[in-house]
Amino acid sequence: NAGVTQTPKFQVLKTGQSMTLQCAQDMNHEYMSWYRQDPGMGLRLIHYSVGAGITDQGEVPNGYNVSRSTTEDFPLRLLSAAPSQTSVYFCASRAGRTRETQYFGPGTRLLVL
Amino acid sequence: AQSVTQLGSHVSVSEGALVLLRCNYSSSVPPYLFWYVQYPNQGLQLLLKYTTGATLVKGINGFEAEFKKSETSFHLTKPSAHMSDAAEYFCAVSAWMDSSYKLIFGSGTRLLVRP
Repeated sequence: NAGVTQTPKFQVLKTGQSMTLQCAQDMNHEYMSWYRQDPGMGLRLIHYSVGAGITDQGEVPNGYNVSRSTTEDFPLRLLSAAPSQTSVYFCASRAGRTRETQYFGPGTRLLVL
Repeated sequence: AQSVTQLGSHVSVSEGALVLLRCNYSSSVPPYLFWYVQYPNQGLQLLLKYTTGATLVKGINGFEAEFKKSETSFHLTKPSAHMSDAAEYFCAVSAWMDSSYKLIFGSGTRLLVRP
């Protein structure tokens, strides 16, 4: 199993550009989520999904869109990038709506100029 | 509201010394608690977790943590630090919010290990 994979590993954008961060998992997990990591702030939840076709907002959703058309994939879209979105983004997954372990991808480092 | 507080954004120890990373939580229900480790330029890896039962939890790489309900704490320890332990450590609590469980993270503690 590859676990949770993310692409790209690193990206530079100009203000106003759009892009999609890809996330995939091969563990048949129902629950997937996106976090952003900023210095001194830990990880903050952006969006999450409890299953294909179901998404919802987390703590910091503004400026981001998500969709979940399959169990495996959960892409995160930045419609119009802003410097405040410079961060490291992590995708995670776990089995179902339980309190069990979340498994994290390797992250995408995004720089918005 | 459920939350996690990690005392000390940076902790520095000598190689071979005791490692103690502090975590306090607030939770309205019996908590599930987690410690994750992040090595430089990598994702988060689970070190250990507490769900129910035994309050002393052993994890990977010689780390362990003790759940103390009376102190609302879940401190992470390791008897003897190795250079390879240098990383950032995150404590997290699983919280029921908006019809699903979510992880609430502390702000992280960076562990530095001196030769």
